[in-house]
Amino acid sequence: EPEVTQTPSHQVTQMGQEVILRCVPISNHLYFYWYRQILGQKVEFLVSFYNNEISEKSEIFDDQFSVERPDGSNFTLKIRSTKLEDSAMYFCASSQGLAGVYEQYFGPGTRLTVT
Amino acid sequence: SQQGEEDPQALSIQEGENATMNCSYKTSINNLQWYRQNSGRGLVHLILIRSNEREKHSGRLRVTLDTSKKSSSLLITASRAADTASYFCATLTRGDDKIIFGKGTRLHILP
Repeated sequence: EPEVTQTPSHQVTQMGQEVILRCVPISNHLYFYWYRQILGQKVEFLVSFYNNEISEKSEIFDDQFSVERPDGSNFTLKIRSTKLEDSAMYFCASSQGLAGVYEQYFGPGTRLTVT
Repeated sequence: SQQGEEDPQALSIQEGENATMNCSYKTSINNLQWYRQNSGRGLVHLILIRSNEREKHSGRLRVTLDTSKKSSSLLITASRAADTASYFCATLTRGDDKIIFGKGTRLHILP
């Protein structure tokens, strides 16, 4: 069964450094998402991406964040200058269509630790 | 209350018993989904129920949806040790494309 994959599984970085989290969505999917989960808290929506542009973003997704689909297979989340509070599990998701009709498939997550 | 609030926050039951978790929400939804998350791991999609559906089954899982009360329940029958995990309800509001997760119920199955 096809699945969403994410790399790395765990990333440790120093405050102020840039990080890029990578995701490979399911191949025939068209909609892509990033969510995050701070330890012990609920999963929060960050951004949705369709047709090579952001379709929706949350308040969390400020100028420090950006997303890109550089080569038609990878979907990346970049944090330009990491802060301690960016430490969280980051989940990528993809779906064939809009969430109202199609299920979103989640990757296993990347645990980001900012020191 | 927040969108997608689960109740109880934590639940411990004996193996073999049934576990029921509830979720309440505030807005009109397009669908509601339940996910499982083992400690520190990824999200596993369990079941999706659309706003025009009232009940759905998948194996030992039974989900109900009452849109008049804006609530859903997840029933796990004949619980097993492997069911120990956190369970989240997640709603999709009409007109939105993002899923809103609740805080989850931590289920612990006692041997």
